[in-house]
Amino acid sequence: DTAVSQTPKYLVTQMGNDKSIKCEQNLGHDTMYWYKQDSKKFLKIMFSYNNKELIINETVPNRFSPKSPDKAHLNLHINSLELGDSAVYFCATRPGYTTDTQYFGPGTRLTVL
Amino acid sequence: DQQVKQNSPSLSVQEGRISILNCDYTNSMFDYFLWYKKYPAEGPTFLISISSIKDKNEDGRFTVFLNKSAKHLSLHIVPSQPGDSAVYFCAASALGQGAQKLVFGQGTRLTINP
Repeated sequence: DTAVSQTPKYLVTQMGNDKSIKCEQNLGHDTMYWYKQDSKKFLKIMFSYNNKELIINETVPNRFSPKSPDKAHLNLHINSLELGDSAVYFCATRPGYTTDTQYFGPGTRLTVL
Repeated sequence: DQQVKQNSPSLSVQEGRISILNCDYTNSMFDYFLWYKKYPAEGPTFLISISSIKDKNEDGRFTVFLNKSAKHLSLHIVPSQPGDSAVYFCAASALGQGAQKLVFGQGTRLTINP
């Protein structure tokens, strides 16, 4: 049973398109995150949700809109895709407030042509 | 402004020897530190962590050392095994400040040679 899963694993699309990446966790954790790993391999936080509420938004362009329909899901919708959006996007979860240990999904490699 | 730095992009170690991976940070508010291991095409996997109230934490072959005055931490793997070949990320958090986010270094690729 995969604890944190993401779909799709690979996504290739044209500039200007709109696409979504989905994340699901079965760990029962309260907090979920989206991270972006760019071409220089830096892992940077984008968003965080706690019990379906947005708690962190790290100056990400408005074209990125996270949505959390319930505590187990955090989706990322990207409008008007640009070349610079090409990256690997990781979903992560955290069990509670007493630890910052986070558990990551396998990643979605997005390629914008 | 990179608050967590791993200055060695790669490290090569003989099997059975000790691997030492280093990490420096600049933000004195960081109070919780973690190491993650990442294989290609997979997500980072949590390895070991340390709170700022400690200077050492050990888990099997893995030991993390924290030097707060130097703002430096290191991960020791002994003995190193071929399966340890991966990219290792250092991460930090201001947990006590309620920051709830991790700041990552850029990773060190560790290769264990048989």
